[in-house]
Amino acid sequence: DQQVKQNSPSLSVQEGRISILNCDYTNSMFDYFLWYKKYPAEGPTFLISISSIKDKNEDGRFTVFLNKSAKHLSLHIVPSQPGDSAVYFCAASEFADSWGKLQFGAGTQVVVTP
Amino acid sequence: EPEVTQTPSHQVTQMGQEVILHCVPISNHLYFYWYRQILGQKVEFLVSFYNNEISEKSEIFDDQFSVERPDGSNFTLKIRSTKLEDSAMYFCASTLRDSPSGANVLTFGAGSRLTVL
Repeated sequence: DQQVKQNSPSLSVQEGRISILNCDYTNSMFDYFLWYKKYPAEGPTFLISISSIKDKNEDGRFTVFLNKSAKHLSLHIVPSQPGDSAVYFCAASEFADSWGKLQFGAGTQVVVTP
Repeated sequence: EPEVTQTPSHQVTQMGQEVILHCVPISNHLYFYWYRQILGQKVEFLVSFYNNEISEKSEIFDDQFSVERPDGSNFTLKIRSTKLEDSAMYFCASTLRDSPSGANVLTFGAGSRLTVL
């Protein structure tokens, strides 16, 4: 059962433009959401998170939007830079839960072209 | 910056062989994890370890898997008799608290790619 879905396996965007990565979830009990970034030959690294009490969280060029009614979140990267080329994983859990309950999406490969 | 170190980066083995994957978590972390990612699929939780015992495990973590913290620094994952479907990237991770939050980050290692032939 795939509780977290990233329907776009890849995304290509020009440098300087906005990258929008989408993520849908099915479990209405999820109330904490994270995005991880992964470069080749490295482990996933934490990027940004949001709890269900908010609908937006911003950190520099990265903004995560949460639409609880649609069970949808998105990650916006503005402006996109070549160093943003990586795989981005969406993940979700219940706030009081353990890291073992964290559910990941399959990832979206982002390529930022000059 | 402190990091989680995993070895080997890539291991090729024959089906039925035993494999041990090694991890050195961040030194002041208390909780340790193994996840895996089969090619093209999502990252999946295998097991968590705290205070020298398994605290949680998934359905994937069956009797052929075991974990150990033989000394104060290493954290190993053993697969007793590998199968073709065990081919995956295995990630070790560690954290201070077993609770996702903005202040508590789960730090992953670079992974060990296991190829079972």
